[in-house]
Amino acid sequence: DQQVKQNSPSLSVQEGRISILNCDYTNSMFDYFLWYKKYPAEGPTFLISISSIKDKNEDGRFTVFLNKSAKHLSLHIVPSQPGDSAVYFCAASEDKIIFGKGTRLHILP
Amino acid sequence: EPEVTQTPSHQVTQMGQEVILRCVPISNHLYFYWYRQILGQKVEFLVSFYNNEISEKSEIFDDQFSVERPDGSNFTLKIRSTKLEDSAMYFCAGKEGRNYEQYFGPGTRLTVT
Repeated sequence: DQQVKQNSPSLSVQEGRISILNCDYTNSMFDYFLWYKKYPAEGPTFLISISSIKDKNEDGRFTVFLNKSAKHLSLHIVPSQPGDSAVYFCAASEDKIIFGKGTRLHILP
Repeated sequence: EPEVTQTPSHQVTQMGQEVILRCVPISNHLYFYWYRQILGQKVEFLVSFYNNEISEKSEIFDDQFSVERPDGSNFTLKIRSTKLEDSAMYFCAGKEGRNYEQYFGPGTRLTVT
């Protein structure tokens, strides 16, 4: 059962433009969400998080939006840079982390 | 910046053999985890460990798996009798406190032949 869903396996975005990665979840009890970035042959790297008491959290070029009524969150990266090319995992935390399947982001020159 | 380290980076073993995967978490972390990622699939939770005991384990974490933190620094995952389907990347992770983000190690690639 997929409690955290990332329906786009891949996304290509021009360098300098905005990348928007989407995620849906099914469990309304989740109260803490995270985004991780993963390069090949490395472990997931924490990027940004959001608590369910907020609807937005921003850190530099990265912003996460949470829509609790829709059980949807998104990660915005602006402007997109070549080093952003990686797999991005949406996750929910209830102590353990429940990951989505990931979206591979390609930043095009 | 402190990092989670894992050894070995790649382990090849024959089916039925025992393997021990090692992790050195960040020193001020108190909560520890193992996850795995089978090729092409998502990262899956195996077990969480706090205060020297297992807090939670998934249905993947059967009697063939065990964890321990023998000396207050290393955190190990043992698979007693490996199966072909245990081939995966195994990630160790840790965090400082209950409502903190987890930090992951680089992983150990386990190949069971």
